[in-house]
Amino acid sequence: GIQVEQSPPDLILQEGANSTLRCNFSDSVNNLQWFHQNPWGQLINLFYIPSGTKQNGRLSATTVATERYSLLYISSSQTTDSGVYFCAVQGGSEKLVFGKGMKLTVNP
Amino acid sequence: NAGVMQNPRHLVRRRGQEARLRCSPMKGHSHVYWYRQLPEEGLKFMVYLQKENIIDESGMPKERFSAEFPKEGPSILRIQQVVRGDSAAYFCASSPPGGGEQYFGPGTRLTVT
Repeated sequence: GIQVEQSPPDLILQEGANSTLRCNFSDSVNNLQWFHQNPWGQLINLFYIPSGTKQNGRLSATTVATERYSLLYISSSQTTDSGVYFCAVQGGSEKLVFGKGMKLTVNP
Repeated sequence: NAGVMQNPRHLVRRRGQEARLRCSPMKGHSHVYWYRQLPEEGLKFMVYLQKENIIDESGMPKERFSAEFPKEGPSILRIQQVVRGDSAAYFCASSPPGGGEQYFGPGTRLTVT
C-alpha cells in the first residue's frame, strides 16, 4: 500500500520562529490532508490540499502531486502551535493513510 | 453546525468485557470511518461504512471487532472480550456523500485493565 513519510520527526522552536514540515508519499493520491493533534488529543483539520497552495493565517501548505510531496509552513510560531502534526493521504481507496507525525514543541 | 460526536470520551473495561463506542457523523455526512491510535503512533484505518453497509473493513482485526452504521442512529464500533492490547484512542471521522475531506471526532480513549 501507499507509504507516507514525515520529516523531521521532532522539532523544538522558540516562539516567533518559522518552520517547514515535509510529507513524502509513495504513490499518486486523490486527497491529502494536514492535521494538528493538540495536547488534549483532538485532531484539528488544517488543510485539505490534494494539489496546489493554500493559506490560512500563519499557516500555509503546498502539495506537488507530480513529485509526491507536500509542505506545511508555520510562520511566527506560538506556544499554542505545539502538538503533533500529521499528514494523511488517500490513494486508490477512501481510507486515509497517516504518516507517523511530527512533534512540535514551541517554547516561550 | 455540530461536528462529529463520539461517546463516551473515556471508557474503562476489564479484560474480557465488551466495549461499545458510538459515533454520530456531521450533519449531511453519510460516510463514516473508524481509526485507531496506539500510544505514540499515528492513526491506523480500521473500517469505512455507509448507511447499512460496510464498504471497506480491511483494517479491522479478524476477531472480536465489529462495526455497524444502521439506518437510524449512530455508528457503533464493538470490541468483544477486550484485552490489554486494545487500549488505544479510537477516532471516528465522517465525510459528505462522494467522499472528500474527512472530519474527526474527539475520540474515545479505551483503557483495558
